[in-house]
Amino acid sequence: GGIITQTPKFLIGQEGQKLTLKCQQNFNHDTMYWYRQDSGKGLRLIYYSITENDLQKGDLSEGYDASREKKSSFSLTVTSAQKNEMAVFLCASSNGEAEQFFGPGTRLTVL
Amino acid sequence: GDSVTQTEGLVTLTKGLPVMLNCTYQTTYSPFLFWYVQHLNEAPKLLLKSSTDNKRTEHQGFYATLHKSSSSFHLQKSSVQLSDSALYFCALSDGGSALGRLHFGAGTQLIVIP
Repeated sequence: GGIITQTPKFLIGQEGQKLTLKCQQNFNHDTMYWYRQDSGKGLRLIYYSITENDLQKGDLSEGYDASREKKSSFSLTVTSAQKNEMAVFLCASSNGEAEQFFGPGTRLTVL
Repeated sequence: GDSVTQTEGLVTLTKGLPVMLNCTYQTTYSPFLFWYVQHLNEAPKLLLKSSTDNKRTEHQGFYATLHKSSSSFHLQKSSVQLSDSALYFCALSDGGSALGRLHFGAGTQLIVIP
């Protein structure tokens, strides 16, 4: 088996700040995803990457940048944090066999 | 475009009773549907998946049948337990492929009480 690690677990930022979330997987999966989870809205796809250095926009990419530096890691940047924003950001990976494996999440609070 | 609808935001049940969580979808492709479960402060995990019409799929006491005629993939269990309390997401694979990105429903919070 494998594991997905997300850092940090909790992230507190200021309005307008640029914030970076990191994700590492040791499944050796090709595809990685970033989702945003808001209460009552399910999981919304921000960015995904099908291989190293590839980036594909999801439904919620505005206000975010992403980087797939190597196969095992996928970073997400909030370009300008919005005041009172609170959400959980979930990273996932897939081997192309339909199942996505999720990390434990990063909980963002913007003051 | 592809979409998933879960009509119940919150379901509260007494232990031992049956449950059905609704999931309907819209797609122009051949559908591939999933149920994910997320326990409190944990990562979502795959519970069930199916792309076969009218075939029941089961896991950990939960079951679902994909019905293309009604565009539904409802999740059921005959007798819920306290440990089933969790957030349940229905998801549809984009473009009908098992390899596609997923479209998630809003989720149904299931609370099981003694």
